[in-house]
Amino acid sequence: NAGVMQNPRHLVRRRGQEARLRCSPMKGHSHVYWYRQLPEEGLKFMVYLQKENIIDESGMPKERFSAEFPKEGPSILRIQQVVRGDSAAYFCASSPTTAAQETQYFGPGTRLLVL
Amino acid sequence: GENVEQHPSTLSVQEGDSAVIKCTYSDSASNYFPWYKQELGKGPQLIIDIRSNVGEKKDQRIAVTLNKTAKHFSLHITETQPEDSAVYFCAATPGDKIIFGKGTRLHILP
Repeated sequence: NAGVMQNPRHLVRRRGQEARLRCSPMKGHSHVYWYRQLPEEGLKFMVYLQKENIIDESGMPKERFSAEFPKEGPSILRIQQVVRGDSAAYFCASSPTTAAQETQYFGPGTRLLVL
Repeated sequence: GENVEQHPSTLSVQEGDSAVIKCTYSDSASNYFPWYKQELGKGPQLIIDIRSNVGEKKDQRIAVTLNKTAKHFSLHITETQPEDSAVYFCAATPGDKIIFGKGTRLHILP
């Protein structure tokens, strides 16, 4: 049973470009969460999705950031017009039900560098 | 909202000694407290968790205690080994998301 998969593992973008980060949850998991980690910091919640629904996006910046989890395919975190401050590690986690009841399992992360 | 404080930020212990990491949380609605270990360049890995109806849980060299009244919970690692060197995060779940502490960088000294 494969774990949470994320790609790409590393992504370099110039200011103003778009970044697309992909996350495939563990088999049987229908809940996906995205977190951002700055150097020497903890992980900060961004958004919680179920298939075709955004449940909680309270941690996501209102502009330039969007997330989706379509019926088929991976979850996508999209950052438009990237700025240097977007450089961070982005982690995806999945669980079979809500985090309050079940453990979240994390992927290896995507490290975004904005030049 | 929930706020999780974690101490210390850095901890160095001699190999074979014990390490203790302490956390506090603010939201009494939190009822699930996982601990994650993160090695360099990797994602966080769950090492142990505890739910609010339990005061203590142990798994080999790792134990976690929870005091709901005081809103404190702690991680104890005994007989530390070189492979225990990593960053450890405590967390609380007041709802559907995990709120993490800022992490403790644990160094095991030879």
